[in-house]
Amino acid sequence: EVQLVESGGGLVQPGGSLRLSCAASGFTFSGYWMYWVRQAPGKGLVWVSHISSDGSRPSYADSVKGRFTISRDNAKNTLYVQMNILRAEDTAVYYCVRQTSWAFDIWGQGTMVTVSS
Amino acid sequence: QSALTQPPSASGSLGQSVTISCTGTSSDVGGYNHVSWYEQHPGKAPKLMIYEVNKRPSGVPDRFSGSKSGNTASLTVSGLQAEDEADYYCSSYAGNNIWVFGGGTKLTVL
Repeated sequence: EVQLVESGGGLVQPGGSLRLSCAASGFTFSGYWMYWVRQAPGKGLVWVSHISSDGSRPSYADSVKGRFTISRDNAKNTLYVQMNILRAEDTAVYYCVRQTSWAFDIWGQGTMVTVSS
Repeated sequence: QSALTQPPSASGSLGQSVTISCTGTSSDVGGYNHVSWYEQHPGKAPKLMIYEVNKRPSGVPDRFSGSKSGNTASLTVSGLQAEDEADYYCSSYAGNNIWVFGGGTKLTVL
């Protein structure tokens, strides 16, 4: 079964850091570009970051550039995002997503990040 | 990186059809055929329903169809069923490794 499972979410104070992980299974992880998409409570979907299949080309939304770092370990079939200098507006469910044919075809169940004092 | 514009809500009766619009610019929707649509039920992850404007992934009913004209893409759901009640989001590639989503449309089946 093709599956993405996120972990690492939780409560963090403003200015703090958190690293999310996404374990992939059921497909050849190294063959796909991977994404992080977030959804604030009661709000819509927002693209956060993505990384090429070989990990050499990361991209970021302006709202997280300089604070978030995406990476992947193809040997471990795992996607990461290191989130630093967290703000209240980063509070959201973070989804790990696989891209194929210029669309997002596999989504994880999401992990909740809450930034609050 | 402005969000695409969707109506906040849409509705239709059982068995009828409804169309949801998604308006962008020539830099995103109008510039690429990389428009996709997602269905999201409360508390669940989104599910891909349409990709590359009008293609359906395996397993998605043919009641769902997509189209595009200029800077506006559309999702049509025909023969509405109760289980179609959900939030629907459009997405488009916007060039320069940037992606944008719409604000979402809550579809109510009457």
